[in-house]
Amino acid sequence: GAVVSQHPSRVICKSGTSVKIECRSLDFQATTMFWYRQFPKKSLMLMATSNEGSKATYEQGVEKDKFLINHASLTLSTLTVTSAHPEDSSFYICSANIPHGGRAEAFFGQGTRLTVV
Amino acid sequence: GNSVTQMEGPVTLSEEAFLTINCTYTATGYPSLFWYVQYPGEGLQLLLKATKADDKGSNKGFEATYRKETTSFHLEKGSVQVSDSAVYFCALSEVNKFYFGSGTKLNVKP
Repeated sequence: GAVVSQHPSRVICKSGTSVKIECRSLDFQATTMFWYRQFPKKSLMLMATSNEGSKATYEQGVEKDKFLINHASLTLSTLTVTSAHPEDSSFYICSANIPHGGRAEAFFGQGTRLTVV
Repeated sequence: GNSVTQMEGPVTLSEEAFLTINCTYTATGYPSLFWYVQYPGEGLQLLLKATKADDKGSNKGFEATYRKETTSFHLEKGSVQVSDSAVYFCALSEVNKFYFGSGTKLNVKP
């Protein structure tokens, strides 16, 4: 089946630095990818929709300047957490959808555990 | 709007016990319904899905039936194993967007 690869799986950074997370579709092209954030013991919250060749669409309450998204090719989307703070520590997951008979099936990356110290 | 509500956990069962995790949804149209499983430190994996009313999704002994009349998609398994311990997410998809429930942690004891 389709594979979405996310890198790195874990990262620890100092407060005030920026961290880049990559999401790649390995065997299919994804014009749209999605970035989620998962809080402890809570569900996935959609942060933004990454669109190849155009600006990302952010959900309400998500800071665009804090979470920079770039979808430079049909197989790669990146999420950069800028000037990270401890409250940005979380599990970030990307996904890409494959249309299937008028509907979509989502394939998820392995997730990135970000810890800001 | 669209939303998914699933039972809070954790759910603790003994091996070979029967499992039910309740899930209900609210949708404006005709969504597809999914169950995803997340093992510790990993991303989500699709467990099963159903795309229309009365469809039954099944995989690895798990099953769920798309009930439009009760807007439900309850997950069941007749005999759980220790290896089934994970967090289970109910989700719906409409117009290529996914909406997730809060997740239910399942602990299966030997």
